[in-house]
Amino acid sequence: GQQVMQIPQYQHVQEGEDFTTYCNSSTTLSNIQWYKQRPGGHPVFLIQLVKSGEVKKQKRLTFQFGEAKKNSSLHITATQTTDVGTYFCAGLNYGGSQGNLIFGKGTKLSVKP
Amino acid sequence: ETGVTQSPTHLIKTRGQQVTLRCSSQSGHNTVSWYQQALGQGPQFIFQYYREEENGRGNFPPRFSGLQFPNYSSELNVNALELDDSALYLCASSLILAGAEQFFGPGTRLTVL
Repeated sequence: GQQVMQIPQYQHVQEGEDFTTYCNSSTTLSNIQWYKQRPGGHPVFLIQLVKSGEVKKQKRLTFQFGEAKKNSSLHITATQTTDVGTYFCAGLNYGGSQGNLIFGKGTKLSVKP
Repeated sequence: ETGVTQSPTHLIKTRGQQVTLRCSSQSGHNTVSWYQQALGQGPQFIFQYYREEENGRGNFPPRFSGLQFPNYSSELNVNALELDDSALYLCASSLILAGAEQFFGPGTRLTVL
């Protein structure tokens, strides 16, 4: 079946350093979504990418969708302690029901002040 | 605007028992999806309900079943509980649009002994 892989599994950074997590799908995706889950919390939607090669920015966060629509990345510039949490990418297949998001295992980010 | 709510917060059951988890969707949302999140993993899609009917299902056995009510709230039922069913069960509501943002509830932590 389809798989969505994320690397790295863990990332420890010093506050102010940059952070990047990568997401790869075994199949071409209709779109990809990114979620953040704080420790003990639930996933919170960050953004959705739909177009091939799309780049979107939210303040210090930059999201990219690959040209082949099989990979994506999230880059955080100058991390802050509030960025702590697990970042998940979730891909939606063409023709899949809109809830059938395939989540990666996530990248757990810790930030040392 | 009322967010997604789930009950109960925590639940402890023994193997072979049955459990019912409940979810109230966010105001204005007509679609509910259920996910299972094991410790250290990403959410796994169980199924989605729209207009009181199942609208897509992930790779879960038939002992996982659900309902959606006219007010768009939903139930997840699991029969013949197994130890591996121990997980955080997340409900997410959305509009029935392709790739619509999922609004997750706080989850129900189920422990099977």
